[in-house]
Amino acid sequence: GQNIDQPTEMTATEGAIVQINCTYQTSGFNGLFWYQQHAGEAPTFLSYNVLDGLEEKGRFSSFLSRSKGYSYLLLKELQMKDSASYLCAPNNAGNMLTFGGGTRLMVKP
Amino acid sequence: DSGVTQTPKHLITATGQRVTLRCSPRSGDLSVYWYQQSLDQGLQFLIQYYNGEERAKGNILERFSAQQFPDLHSELNLSSLELGDSALYFCASSTNNEQFFGPGTRLTVL
Repeated sequence: GQNIDQPTEMTATEGAIVQINCTYQTSGFNGLFWYQQHAGEAPTFLSYNVLDGLEEKGRFSSFLSRSKGYSYLLLKELQMKDSASYLCAPNNAGNMLTFGGGTRLMVKP
Repeated sequence: DSGVTQTPKHLITATGQRVTLRCSPRSGDLSVYWYQQSLDQGLQFLIQYYNGEERAKGNILERFSAQQFPDLHSELNLSSLELGDSALYFCASSTNNEQFFGPGTRLTVL
């Protein structure tokens, strides 16, 4: 089975840095995705980690430790438009994504 | 724009009715996935098709069924609708690992 744990809500200030953690237990593992979802809209792809380590993409970075079943998403220079839900999704061997409940991030001025 | 299209955008119907949601994947993608997202809930995987054949099944109710046609578009059929079926239904498509999501169909059951 799959078990994904991430904080339900986080609040941060515009211009700051925030780290959203995700721990997972999955049968079979083929990488981990992070998606961003604004309320009522479709999830959009942010990052994909297959190997351990940090992947940096502009203001967003994602880290993976497969042995620890742990990932985090790091958002730098926060902007108001970053207020959204961030979904951690391990990909199992069958290319099936299991989504966590998501972390709702609120960015305040 | 992800390249995945879904119709209709909104659907309002009554309990006991049957509806069909439609999805066209990105050009070249063979896999189609269906997800349900209830209010303030996470995305629940329903079913996956690959090149016309069912590949994986999640927590899909027996009242729900899906198929993928030769042109690779897919339909999700929801029958004997209940109030609790009100949700956003997303379709996603992929070629490798990354899934691209359509805009969703918002179903309201009254």
